[in-house]
Amino acid sequence: DTGVSQDPRHKITKRGQNVTFRCDPISEHNRLYWYRQTLGQGPEFLTYFQNEAQLEKSRLLSDRFSAERPKGSFSTLEIQRTEQGDSAMYLCASSLTTGGRNTEAFFGQGTRLTVV
Amino acid sequence: AQKVTQAQTEISVVEKEDVTLDCVYETRDTTYYLFWYKQPPSGELVFLIRRNSFDEQNEISGRYSWNFQKSTSSFNFTITASQVVDSAVYFCALSALGQTGANNLFFGTGTRLTVIP
Repeated sequence: DTGVSQDPRHKITKRGQNVTFRCDPISEHNRLYWYRQTLGQGPEFLTYFQNEAQLEKSRLLSDRFSAERPKGSFSTLEIQRTEQGDSAMYLCASSLTTGGRNTEAFFGQGTRLTVV
Repeated sequence: AQKVTQAQTEISVVEKEDVTLDCVYETRDTTYYLFWYKQPPSGELVFLIRRNSFDEQNEISGRYSWNFQKSTSSFNFTITASQVVDSAVYFCALSALGQTGANNLFFGTGTRLTVIP
């Protein structure tokens, strides 16, 4: 499978616990994005990386959220002290951006987080 | 600021009917991309089309066609002879095209299409 892979697909956690999600992008893609999608809404941008550098973070990304892409390949998104409002689908996407070329973003199947 | 409006929350059509999904966008950028994505019940967002702001030529791909009109800031999507497999939520999205390439996507709230057999 050469698409974007996310793990786990589903996560149920108790309020206050920490959770970590992983995303493996398409191998040659240098950009990696995280989005959050709540029920009935479109995905909302959280943050993105170009290689290992985190270039932009949305205001939605509170201090409890942290994302890393240490070697410019896979990425992790950690949520500390989860709250019920964090329940959502977390989507990862990747794309290739070079001097003259920008591919579209390809999305993974997402990680559905439920905070109880 | 970027904004994408999909005024149609839900649409139901009978199989083989044509259906048009509306998308209106706002942006101050002079160069940008517009997209349509399909989200079937499985949850994965499937890319359908990307259009850049330089190119207002309409596009047809099989039963799908797109009408981009810069004058009205619209990028509408038509499915001809709809099929049950077209049932999904469809998202229109906008991305600015900065100096370092395409930036993040701003999505509309989506239109849920149900095709009735």
